[in-house]
Amino acid sequence: DAGITQSPRYKITETGRQVTLMCHQTWSHSYMFWYRQDLGHGLRLIYYSAAADITDKGEVPDGYVVSRSKTENFPLTLESATRSQTSVYFCASSERGGYTFGSGTRLTVV
Amino acid sequence: AQSVTQLGSHVSVSEGALVLLRCNYSSSVPPYLFWYVQYPNQGLQLLLKYTSAATLVKGINGFEAEFKKSETSFHLTKPSAHMSDAAEYYCALTPRSNDYKLSFGAGTTVTVRA
Repeated sequence: DAGITQSPRYKITETGRQVTLMCHQTWSHSYMFWYRQDLGHGLRLIYYSAAADITDKGEVPDGYVVSRSKTENFPLTLESATRSQTSVYFCASSERGGYTFGSGTRLTVV
Repeated sequence: AQSVTQLGSHVSVSEGALVLLRCNYSSSVPPYLFWYVQYPNQGLQLLLKYTSAATLVKGINGFEAEFKKSETSFHLTKPSAHMSDAAEYYCALTPRSNDYKLSFGAGTTVTVRA
């Protein structure tokens, strides 16, 4: 199916573990984004990418790592998960000012 | 830096009443502006967007928003609320440049009373 797919949909992990959230888009959009959604803060940009092999920090990048070796994939890695990273994570892609969001990954760090 | 402020974290309206959600932006030049809706346990859905054509923008589900440069505002309205309008609403902006970062406000939760 065409669209933007995030996996897993739900994830529980322990403090200190590494976890990777996946994002895949089928349109070959140039731009991809990772946001976290927290009550009272709305959506805050973690990292974004303008093209394959080009990434840049957003508003809240600490504790996260991204890569983009292929245009269609933009994984987000929490190198050593902390409880403060418990959140809902949304991936998005964009081309010419139109944005499409994935369904989100609900991550709980215990 | 550009930013978005949504006035009121919660709005409660009666079914059939006017829905008004307030959004103000801060930007040196008028940005592109968006309103998104998020229903419980779902992703974000675009309601409407302003890209410098008409200042009154009509969106889906009967919503519309008016861009007012003098007030740096982009308030969202719907004449008659429906129970299905209960959701979280986000105002967002992106610069008029090659920078496509989308910045969001904190969101407004809308509840609709029967």
